[in-house]
Amino acid sequence: GAVVSQHPSRVICKSGTSVKIECRSLDFQATTMFWYRQFPKQSLMLMATSNEGSKATYEQGVEKDKFLINHASLTLSTLTVTSAHPEDSSFYICSARSTGTGTKKLFFGSGTQLSVL
Amino acid sequence: AQSVAQPEDQVNVAEGNPLTVKCTYSVSGNPYLFWYVQYPNRGLQFLLKYITGDNLVKGSYGFEAEFNKSQTSFHLKKPSALVSDSALYFCAVRDSNYGQNFVFGPGTRLSVLP
Repeated sequence: GAVVSQHPSRVICKSGTSVKIECRSLDFQATTMFWYRQFPKQSLMLMATSNEGSKATYEQGVEKDKFLINHASLTLSTLTVTSAHPEDSSFYICSARSTGTGTKKLFFGSGTQLSVL
Repeated sequence: AQSVAQPEDQVNVAEGNPLTVKCTYSVSGNPYLFWYVQYPNRGLQFLLKYITGDNLVKGSYGFEAEFNKSQTSFHLKKPSALVSDSALYFCAVRDSNYGQNFVFGPGTRLSVLP
């Protein structure tokens, strides 16, 4: 079955540094990928929709300059948390939508736990 | 390794009838099980979760799910379906041996027909 690889699974960084999270579709092409964030004891919140070859669409309240999204190819989207602060500590997860004919399915990465000290 | 299966791509049910969306899982440790729903053009919304305790879990919008350890299943149910329940449903599991990381099922599209 289709697989989405998200890396790293866990990262600890110092305040003020930037962290890049990668989301790869391993055996299918994904023109659209989604980035979510989960706060403790809450559901996943959609941060942005990443479209291959164009700018990401951010949800209301998400700072585009802080959460940089790049979708340079049909199999890779990256989320960079710039100048991270402790309040950015959270669980981030990506998903990718297959582009094939028929029912388009959504596949999820395994998530990245970010801890900012 | 942990895995989740949702054996049905599509479930069709008439309004007012009971609905079931199936989910089975495989983990090495204790499972933490979740159901999420995605409406068109929206992000995932949390429905319910099982961590421990009663096997029957009640969640949002009248949904419930039953944890069955022997069958490694966590089927989502609702006694009386509404047209507005039509959406994409995802089952997810976290393995107590693997920390925070989720594994999601591929999703099941539920269509409730008026």
